[in-house]
Amino acid sequence: RKEVEQDPGPFNVPEGATVAFNCTYSNSASQSFFWYRQDCRKEPKLLMSVYSSGNEDGRFTAQLNRASQYISLLIRDSKLSDSATYLCVVNQRSGNTGKLIFGQGTTLQVKP
Amino acid sequence: ETGVTQTPRHLVMGMTNKKSLKCEQHLGHNAMYWYKQSAKKPLELMFVYSLEERVENNSVPSRFSPECPNSSHLFLHLHTLQPEDSALYLCASSQFSGRGSYNEQFFGPGTRLTVL
Repeated sequence: RKEVEQDPGPFNVPEGATVAFNCTYSNSASQSFFWYRQDCRKEPKLLMSVYSSGNEDGRFTAQLNRASQYISLLIRDSKLSDSATYLCVVNQRSGNTGKLIFGQGTTLQVKP
Repeated sequence: ETGVTQTPRHLVMGMTNKKSLKCEQHLGHNAMYWYKQSAKKPLELMFVYSLEERVENNSVPSRFSPECPNSSHLFLHLHTLQPEDSALYLCASSQFSGRGSYNEQFFGPGTRLTVL
């Protein structure tokens, strides 16, 4: 089983649609969680951290369910500029350090 | 100056060549990373330097050799690579807070490596 699992998509949605991505992780000791965005042939950039109580940043809402080991990202009122690959990232403790584990990414294409 | 820079941006090398990738961060961070991104695969962590400790992924072949002379610079020395090593190599930095806690990672633009 992959440590961080995402549906690779692609998700093809019209402008203005609401779309949700899910991510599951296998290590229950995972400490912190993030969503990164990666545009084609560019480096990943942090979109938002995911907090236990859930958090919202404009049109983006992130949720964490520790019991089910599941993270979600909801995008409302999709824009053409939201087209990208969304990476689910989990920070796992490793001794006195930690390591970030990246999912494969979910590709979103927003169409006019 | 952008936060994390990488040179070269593109590199084509033969299997017998020796080359080095360079990364520099201007963010005052204390942790730096090398990742490999192959087509259709997740980012794979290769090496971490954090608080002067090197954490090495055991599956990284010895033909990849990292060097971290100080907290702002990171190198990846390459020798006798194979065609399957062709990929995007990304450097990142972050502030390590201790006890396994990593804050946001900032990535460089990457070096696209082709091994012939």
